[in-house]
Amino acid sequence: EVQLVESGGGLVQPGGSLRLSCAASGFILSSYWMHWVRQGPGKGLVWVSRINSDGSSTSYADSVKGRFTISRDNAKNTLYLQMNSLRAEDTAVYYCARGRPGFAGVDVWGQGSTVTVSS
Amino acid sequence: DIQLTQSPSSLSASVGDRVTITCRANQRIYTYLNWYQQKAGKAPKVLLYAASSLQSGVPSRFSGSGSGTDFTLTISSLQPEDFATYYCQQSYSIPWTFGQGTKVEIK
Repeated sequence: EVQLVESGGGLVQPGGSLRLSCAASGFILSSYWMHWVRQGPGKGLVWVSRINSDGSSTSYADSVKGRFTISRDNAKNTLYLQMNSLRAEDTAVYYCARGRPGFAGVDVWGQGSTVTVSS
Repeated sequence: DIQLTQSPSSLSASVGDRVTITCRANQRIYTYLNWYQQKAGKAPKVLLYAASSLQSGVPSRFSGSGSGTDFTLTISSLQPEDFATYYCQQSYSIPWTFGQGTKVEIK
């Protein structure tokens, strides 16, 4: 079964750091571009970042550029999101998602990991 | 950034109704338009990709159409399990963007 499982969320103070992990199973991670998408409380979906299949190319939303870093370890079948200088507005459920080939959106979503930034 | 505007933002419908949700982009995105369904507290689920291609396992009552700037999601006969929020999303250019969502509620 194709599956993505996020972990690493939690409560962090403003200015703090957190690293999310996304463990992939049922498919070969190195064959796919991967994405992070977040959803604030009661809000809509917002794309955060993407990484290509070998990790050589990354992109970020302006709201997280310079603070968040996406990376991957294909040998461990795991995607990461390092989040630094966290702000209250980063509070959200973070989903990892598998990119569909041909830039046709994503075809598999994780269950989400909750990040709360609060003092 | 490409803006996607969904309409309506919410609607009330009955089981068996035909439901149409539209998504308009503020610039041409060809058919790089995807649709997702999200139920409360759950991860989104893929319904359609490339404007009109049905994701494997999704019931055929869901269909999509459009190209360029105007797109439509249609549910031909609304079922109880279809009450949810629906999002369109463009994958034509980075940053990917989503519509604001359409909440489909029970009348």
